[in-house]
Amino acid sequence: GQQLNQSPQSMFIQEGEDVSMNCTSSSIFNTWLWYKQDPGEGPVLLIALYKAGELTSNGRLTAQFGITRKDSFLNISASIPSDVGIYFCAGPQKMGNMLTFGGGTRLMVKP
Amino acid sequence: EPEVTQTPSHQVTQMGQEVILRCVPISNHLYFYWYRQILGQKVEFLVSFYNNEISEKSEIFDDQFSVERPDGSNFTLKIRSTKLEDSAMYFCASSGLESYEQYFGPGTRLTVT
Repeated sequence: GQQLNQSPQSMFIQEGEDVSMNCTSSSIFNTWLWYKQDPGEGPVLLIALYKAGELTSNGRLTAQFGITRKDSFLNISASIPSDVGIYFCAGPQKMGNMLTFGGGTRLMVKP
Repeated sequence: EPEVTQTPSHQVTQMGQEVILRCVPISNHLYFYWYRQILGQKVEFLVSFYNNEISEKSEIFDDQFSVERPDGSNFTLKIRSTKLEDSAMYFCASSGLESYEQYFGPGTRLTVT
């Protein structure tokens, strides 16, 4: 089946630093979704990407949909302690379709 | 802001017992989903539901599992005879007719002893 590979698996950074993480796939996706999950809670949708090459921002978060449609990255600028959590990329093949999730990037921020 | 809700937040059950996990999707959404997440692992798809029938299911969703939309607001996942390996967080999600974006509930932590 389809697999999404995320890297790095974990990051430990200083508050104020910028962060970059990415997601790659062997298959083409028409949509990329980025979620954040806090411990014991459900994934929260951060950003949705619909077009190859698209760059979308949500506050301090910026995500890009790769030109090949097989990758995406998420950047967080000026990290703060509440950015701590696990960031997942996910892709559906079509509307109403299952999401395939990546393995996640665990972000830890040192105040 | 509308959100997906789930009850209970935590369910403890004995192996072999039946459990029903409940979800109230976002009110104008038409696609409903169940996912699970074993501790420390990634989120895995179980089943999707549209127009009162299952539209897609994974190989995890075997005969022990069933879903139902008993009324206009609730969406349930039933596990007929729980096994130890069913212990996980179960997430309900929903999406609108013209959208790829799925919104998740807070989850039900199922512990099978």
